Amino acid sequence: SAVISQKPSRDICQRGTSLTIQCQVDSQVTMMFWYRQQPGQSLTLIATANQGSEATYESGFVIDKFPISRPNLTFSTLTVSNMSPEDSSIYLCSVVVGKETQYFGPGTRLLVL
Amino acid sequence: QKEVEQNSGPLSVPEGAIASLNCTYSDRGSQSFFWYRQYSGKSPELIMSIYSNGDKEDGRFTAQLNKASQYVSLLIRDSQPSDSATYLCAVKEDTGRRALTFGSGTRLQVQP
Repeated sequence: SAVISQKPSRDICQRGTSLTIQCQVDSQVTMMFWYRQQPGQSLTLIATANQGSEATYESGFVIDKFPISRPNLTFSTLTVSNMSPEDSSIYLCSVVVGKETQYFGPGTRLLVL
Repeated sequence: QKEVEQNSGPLSVPEGAIASLNCTYSDRGSQSFFWYRQYSGKSPELIMSIYSNGDKEDGRFTAQLNKASQYVSLLIRDSQPSDSATYLCAVKEDTGRRALTFGSGTRLQVQP
């Protein structure tokens, strides 16, 4: 498996502001993903964070709203831009270890007022 | 994107009983299947993976896969109150998409 940390663990933000979430892994991983889990819902994939190139976004998610960086194989950031209350959610970083098993970070709990 | 379906529950079982959690998937080409457990306020935790038809046992957990019926299940024997959580089924689809597709989860309640 892998040890994954996320910062911040939680935050309360004002409408219209932006928050950057960091994900750090204790080993180099090829595949890294960002998910969102809205209250009472399952996991929705936002994007695949690609090292050295632009992230690959899923339908319904755009780079202007969720810019992602991945400068190396152990670190990534997700920014939630121009936030609204609808962005209140848990944001999860996930990595693939081995062939295809995914492990999740502890998550960032975001509340937008 | 294909679908992964789970009954949302809650599934309530008495302590010591067998809990049976079910999942169906639509992508017939899927080859890899996973069960995650998620406690309230926590992130998903991998319980088991299964790749071949049949049963796979790990302690009190047994995963069952039937690719012909596009069905995967998780049995929890001797259920404990600490097993109370949401169980997420996840599938690696045969679409080239590297991320897993998750079901909506089944909430399990084990009554002491």
